[in-house]
Amino acid sequence: GENVEQHPSTLSVQEGDSAVIKCTYSDSASNYFPWYKQELGKRPQLIIDIRSNVGEKKDQRIAVTLNKTAKHFSLHITETQPEDSAVYFCAASIGTGYSTLTFGKGTMLLVSP
Amino acid sequence: NAGVMQNPRHLVRRRGQEARLRCSPMKGHSHVYWYRQLPEEGLKFMVYLQKENIIDESGMPKERFSAEFPKEGPSILRIQQVVRGDSAAYFCASSPPGLAVDEQYFGPGTRLTVT
Repeated sequence: GENVEQHPSTLSVQEGDSAVIKCTYSDSASNYFPWYKQELGKRPQLIIDIRSNVGEKKDQRIAVTLNKTAKHFSLHITETQPEDSAVYFCAASIGTGYSTLTFGKGTMLLVSP
Repeated sequence: NAGVMQNPRHLVRRRGQEARLRCSPMKGHSHVYWYRQLPEEGLKFMVYLQKENIIDESGMPKERFSAEFPKEGPSILRIQQVVRGDSAAYFCASSPPGLAVDEQYFGPGTRLTVT
């Protein structure tokens, strides 16, 4: 089955800096890659996703890149703010008619003011 | 459009009791997924259901755990004879039919504590 590795497990940055979180996946058939943000005690929230027919996607300060050949994808957050502090999870799925997500173990991002 | 609803939000059970967790998907969503999250870990897939059908239960423990999504009413995750190791946050997610079936939206979770 699919295996998703996520790095780093913790990331501390100063407000205004950029943050990058990287994930690799094992199943070359995977074609859907969402990112979720989870604040302490809250639900995971879908913040951005990318499909295999696209190499990069942006939404304001957040961007995701995908390299299908290398089987890795990354989340980029620019101009970080304290409210970006949370645990971020990457996931992958095959998405053929139904979608079972395999999640990475998460990255705790701490943005210091 | 209300989001995914789960209840109860917190559930305390003694060892050996049964736990019933409920999930109402978003309006218009016909796919329900259950995940378990242990402290400081990621989300582990348990089961995927559509109305009256279990599509994939490859992540469910073979014993004590069952799930259903009846024609009417919420999806239920049932854990019989709970043990301390069942203590975790249980999240359900739902997704719509059609091209956006991949996009899963999560409920607030049920935090199960087994004493």
